[in-house]
Amino acid sequence: DVQMTQSPSNLAASPGESVSINCKASKSISKYLAWYQQKPGKANKLLIYSGSTLQSGTPSRFSGSGSGTDFTLTIRNLEPEDFGLYYCQQHNEYPWTFGGGTKLELK
Amino acid sequence: EVQLVETGGGLVRPGSSLKLSCATSGFTFSNTWMNWVRQAPGKGLEWVALIKDKYSNYEANYAESVKGRFTISRDDSKSRVYLQMNTLRDQDTATYYCTCSSYMRYYFDYWGQGVMVTVSS
Repeated sequence: DVQMTQSPSNLAASPGESVSINCKASKSISKYLAWYQQKPGKANKLLIYSGSTLQSGTPSRFSGSGSGTDFTLTIRNLEPEDFGLYYCQQHNEYPWTFGGGTKLELK
Repeated sequence: EVQLVETGGGLVRPGSSLKLSCATSGFTFSNTWMNWVRQAPGKGLEWVALIKDKYSNYEANYAESVKGRFTISRDDSKSRVYLQMNTLRDQDTATYYCTCSSYMRYYFDYWGQGVMVTVSS
């Protein structure tokens, strides 16, 4: 199975700042990486797929980059609603696996 | 608006069975691939099972951790997907999410709110 490792596990930032979350695959997954946001009481939301393609409705302050084994989710100009948990997921090969998550907290 | 609503969770003993159901609306169910993803308390996400559409002969795939114990199925006439869980173990305790994937896509476009399954003696 492809192991997905996210870093950092926790991240504290203030509204208006920019942050980056990293995701590393144990083998090449080409461009096939998705990012999700998880917030209490809300359904998980797909933000980005295929490394850098924004899902419809995802604000443009979110961007994804990377290929092969190393990927990054960047959120520019943080808004209050951006705080929560973020997960990466490889969608290149079975079984589809997730990273351990990054908790983005308000500083 | 896409909606996915899971039901059927609860507290069960190890070794017992439980069947989850997911009612869907707001999209063309018959040509959408459906999945179950779970999350143990305080842990990360784990993909559990996928069922493809009729054009893919309803092919099903499972995580190794549930293969032989869980069965995913769907009823296109009711726009529902199910997860039959047999021989449940303590480690199956989790929130189970119903998710959908666009045709031939292996990421999860929409998620339900989840249903809790607790396996404990």
